[in-house]
Amino acid sequence: DAGVTQSPTHLIKTRGQHVTLRCSPISGHKSVSWYQQVLGQGPQFIFQYYEKEERGRGNFPDRFSARQFPNYSSELNVNALLLGDSALYLCASSRLRTGPYEQYFGPGTRLTVT
Amino acid sequence: KNEVEQSPQNLTAQEGEFITINCSYSVGISALHWLQQHPGGGIVSLFMLSSGKKKHGRLIATINIQEKHSSLHITASHPRDSAVYICAVSPMDSNYQLIWGAGTKLIIKP
Repeated sequence: DAGVTQSPTHLIKTRGQHVTLRCSPISGHKSVSWYQQVLGQGPQFIFQYYEKEERGRGNFPDRFSARQFPNYSSELNVNALLLGDSALYLCASSRLRTGPYEQYFGPGTRLTVT
Repeated sequence: KNEVEQSPQNLTAQEGEFITINCSYSVGISALHWLQQHPGGGIVSLFMLSSGKKKHGRLIATINIQEKHSSLHITASHPRDSAVYICAVSPMDSNYQLIWGAGTKLIIKP
């Protein structure tokens, strides 16, 4: 079975632009979580979706939004990009709705904002 | 103060050495996770534990709930073990997110 996939793997954007990152979970996994990892730090939780509903949101501004599609894939959108949004964005999927549960991570999308 | 603290931040050792990475946390948890991140960025879950001890190959993870402390041990370390090891917790009051430590960068020299 394929693991969690993310696209694109790398991208470079300019301040003020918006970006859409995509994630496809492992087959059968209905939960998708998004994390931001700034260089040298541990990941920070952004969102979790389960069966197309937002179940949790971390301490991120409204410029960050996400959605989950009927096939359980997910998009993370970031508007009005700032230099500080440069990070590795990780997507994780899991089978369970309630925790604790093991999460399976994608390779990440490295976003650079110039 | 961070809710999850790891030590050391960096660790360099010779091949074959016994490695210990420590994690302390300050919140009530339902589980603690140890994960491995390689330079490319991908994260792999190594252990999820809520009590006692788990072993997988040369890796051993222990947790002391009363002391809010966990350790990850690597026996007979090998250069391929070089990676960042991250401790994360599932807080009791939030089943859907993980709170992460900053990670320990491990380098094993041949």
